Amino acid sequence: GAGVSQTPSNKVTEKGKYVELRCDPISGHTALYWYRQSLGQGPEFLIYFQGTGAADDSGLPNDRFFAVRPEGSVSTLKIQRTERGDSAVYLCASSLGLVVNEQFFGPGTRLTVL
Amino acid sequence: AQKVTQAQTEISVVEKEDVTLDCVYETRDTTYYLFWYKQPPSGELVFLIRRNSFDEQNEISGRYSWNFQKSTSSFNFTITASQVVDSAVYFCALAQETSGSRLTFGEGTQLTVNP
Repeated sequence: GAGVSQTPSNKVTEKGKYVELRCDPISGHTALYWYRQSLGQGPEFLIYFQGTGAADDSGLPNDRFFAVRPEGSVSTLKIQRTERGDSAVYLCASSLGLVVNEQFFGPGTRLTVL
Repeated sequence: AQKVTQAQTEISVVEKEDVTLDCVYETRDTTYYLFWYKQPPSGELVFLIRRNSFDEQNEISGRYSWNFQKSTSSFNFTITASQVVDSAVYFCALAQETSGSRLTFGEGTQLTVNP
């Protein structure tokens, strides 16, 4: 079956602009996660959805970051007033949820803020 | 608080050598889960293994094996008879029961296998 997909694969924007990053999880996976990976670092947790609700958003760095999953499937990560420090690869993962299962990752969106 | 330490930043070996990647974790929970992921040059994280804190049995899968020791809070990964295709960044990760499903990753170990 299809894996986790993310669009766009690359996004270049200017400082101060608004961006949206999209994630399509594996069909049937109720849990969806967003991570951010800077160069040479491990992924850092941002937010976790179980179904439509954000079960844990403690990793969001500030209120410029927001994510939604309105129908319990596709999720969008939204970043307002982008800053150069937001440049990173944004990874999405999904899992069967309910218990701590393995998470399957998408290819990521490389965000560059000029 | 939870933390994962991968002290080896880079390892370089010659093909067919065995190599062990170290992972040390910190957690206050009695129930937790440990993972290894591989990130090849293409960038996509590939799941390798998941273990829970109550299962200390070592596991072998082909050329891969994992050694889980609660006494030293370590979950080391060994590749036997390494191959060039094993070249990648390998991440160890931890999930605590009290923190839900969020993964805390180590900094990763860049493994280069030379022909």
